[in-house]
Amino acid sequence: DIQVTQSPSSLSASVGDTVTITCRASQSISGYLNWYQQKLGEAPDLLIYGASSLQSWVPSRFSGSGSGTDFTLTIRSLQPEDFATYYCQQSYDTPLTFGGGTKVEVK
Amino acid sequence: QVQLQESGPGLVKPSQTLSLTCTVSGGSMSSDGYYWSWIRQHPGKGLEWIGYIYYTGSIYYNPSLRSRVTILVDTSKNQFSLKLSSVTAADTATYYCARTQQQLGDDFWGRGILVTVSS
Repeated sequence: DIQVTQSPSSLSASVGDTVTITCRASQSISGYLNWYQQKLGEAPDLLIYGASSLQSWVPSRFSGSGSGTDFTLTIRSLQPEDFATYYCQQSYDTPLTFGGGTKVEVK
Repeated sequence: QVQLQESGPGLVKPSQTLSLTCTVSGGSMSSDGYYWSWIRQHPGKGLEWIGYIYYTGSIYYNPSLRSRVTILVDTSKNQFSLKLSSVTAADTATYYCARTQQQLGDDFWGRGILVTVSS
């Protein structure tokens, strides 16, 4: 199985901050890395697929980058609705695997 | 807009079989390029991929659950299902169904159903 290590597991930030979350895969996954946002009590929502492609509904303050084994999700000018848990997922090979999640909390 | 809805019992006894159905609306399950997935989330924990099925019947299971999992598709009803046998308390989780774009993520999800394994 391809392991996906996500860091940090949590972070505290304020509205307006820029936050960065990283994922590292245990082997090269090319660009097959996806990012999800999950709010409390809800299903995850796909934010970014293929490492850097935003879903149509996602604001441009979200961006993703990386290839191979190292990937980054950046949220610029954090908004109140962005406080949530974020997960990365590799879709290069089955079994699909998720990172452990990053909870973005209010400082 | 594609919508998915999980249904099934919220309480299952240990050693029995968990059975869930996902009903898809707003789109055909027979569309090329989409798999239909089951994913679970233990209380307060992260996400675990269970497996997915293509409308032709091709199936991929997580090896960690393969011996206990069956996923089936019924395109005539636009439904797919999950069966997990010999459940224990460790199978207590919220179970989600989702549409998976081939290698490009799960773009539509059901709301999830909490299944508790308890006598």
